[in-house]
Amino acid sequence: NAGVTQTPKFQVLKTGQSMTLQCAQDMNHEYMSWYRQDPGMGLRLIHYSVGAGITDQGEVPNGYNVSRSTTEDFPLRLLSAAPSQTSVYFCASSQDREVSPLHFGNGTRLTVT
Amino acid sequence: AQKVTQAQTEISVVEKEDVTLDCVYETRDTTYYLFWYKQPPSGELVFLIRRNSFDEQNEISGRYSWNFQKSTSSFNFTITASQVVDSAVYFCALSEAGYSTLTFGKGTMLLVSP
Repeated sequence: NAGVTQTPKFQVLKTGQSMTLQCAQDMNHEYMSWYRQDPGMGLRLIHYSVGAGITDQGEVPNGYNVSRSTTEDFPLRLLSAAPSQTSVYFCASSQDREVSPLHFGNGTRLTVT
Repeated sequence: AQKVTQAQTEISVVEKEDVTLDCVYETRDTTYYLFWYKQPPSGELVFLIRRNSFDEQNEISGRYSWNFQKSTSSFNFTITASQVVDSAVYFCALSEAGYSTLTFGKGTMLLVSP
């Protein structure tokens, strides 16, 4: 089982460029979420989804879009990258609403210059 | 709103010492879940434990133990006889019932020297 797969692992963007961080899980989990990790800040929730077609905002949603067209995939879009979006991004999935442990991907390190 | 505080930013110990990582949480819910995750230098997040708010029993797993005290809203993590491989950032996290997302503390970096 692959678990949660994030691509790419590393990315460098210039300010104003757009890109999509991919996240896929093969565990048939309904619940998926995106976090960003910044030094000294822990992980903060960007967006989350409780099933295909349903998404909601987390703590730091500005500058990011998401959609959930299938159970397996939950891509995160940066429409116009800014240096403040330099971070490590983690995608996670879980089995049920009562929070079985989150399964995390290995992260995407994004640098915006 | 929920909040998790890990007041210790960095801890340095020598191998074989015992070390306790502190976690204090805030929530208005009566049903909630507490977690600890480990992030080694390689960067992945490793699940260590989940505890629900109705289970105040302490737990021991090998050299790891957890002390959950609702009276002080704390969920502390102790590593006994620390080893170099324990060097990592440790995160405490909280989730309220009905949500599949976590509120994380800022993490404690543990450095174990030989």
